[in-house]
Amino acid sequence: DQQVKQNSPSLSVQEGRISILNCDYTNSMFDYFLWYKKYPAEGPTFLISISSIKDKNEDGRFTVFLNKSAKHLSLHIVPSQPGDSAVYFCAASAYGGSQGNLIFGKGTKLSVKP
Amino acid sequence: GAGVSQSPRYKVAKRGQDVALRCDPISGHVSLFWYQQALGQGPEFLTYFQNEAQLDKSGLPSDRFFAERPEGSVSTLKIQRTQQEDSAVYLCASSLPGLAGDTQYFGPGTRLTVL
Repeated sequence: DQQVKQNSPSLSVQEGRISILNCDYTNSMFDYFLWYKKYPAEGPTFLISISSIKDKNEDGRFTVFLNKSAKHLSLHIVPSQPGDSAVYFCAASAYGGSQGNLIFGKGTKLSVKP
Repeated sequence: GAGVSQSPRYKVAKRGQDVALRCDPISGHVSLFWYQQALGQGPEFLTYFQNEAQLDKSGLPSDRFFAERPEGSVSTLKIQRTQQEDSAVYLCASSLPGLAGDTQYFGPGTRLTVL
């Protein structure tokens, strides 16, 4: 049973517009969430994280929103750039991420068209 | 370099061979994780070390998989008698535990192909 779900395998967006990537989770013990970006033949690169005590975290063009009641988080990229084209993984952890593994979704492939 | 490094980057093994995959974490990072990523899937947890202690190995798929980190820095993931279903990318990550939750930083991975 998947505890972290990214239901959209792919997303195509025009350069300059907003990209919204979604993630749902089932485990109410998760209290720390991260987004990673992955280019082909490279490892995942950390983008942004959010603790369950917050509902929003912003870093430059990237904002993550957390809705705990809906067990849903989203990553907003504004404005989208062609270099943002990659696979984006949502990940979750219990215990504030300090005691073990991350649970990953299957990823969403973002294509930003010039 | 400053990041997590892994070697080899690519490994082709014949079914039944043993393989060893190496991970050099970021200097000073206490925690080290191994993940397995199958094609089209997200990374899946294999095992976790804090310094030299293996605190969680619940994700290791069988007793053919063994990991060690004897001096608390470099780690080796060993797979004995490889099978075709072991073909995947093996990712290593390290982190420095902190009060706000520790972010795991990943290496480039080792792509293992078992023929």
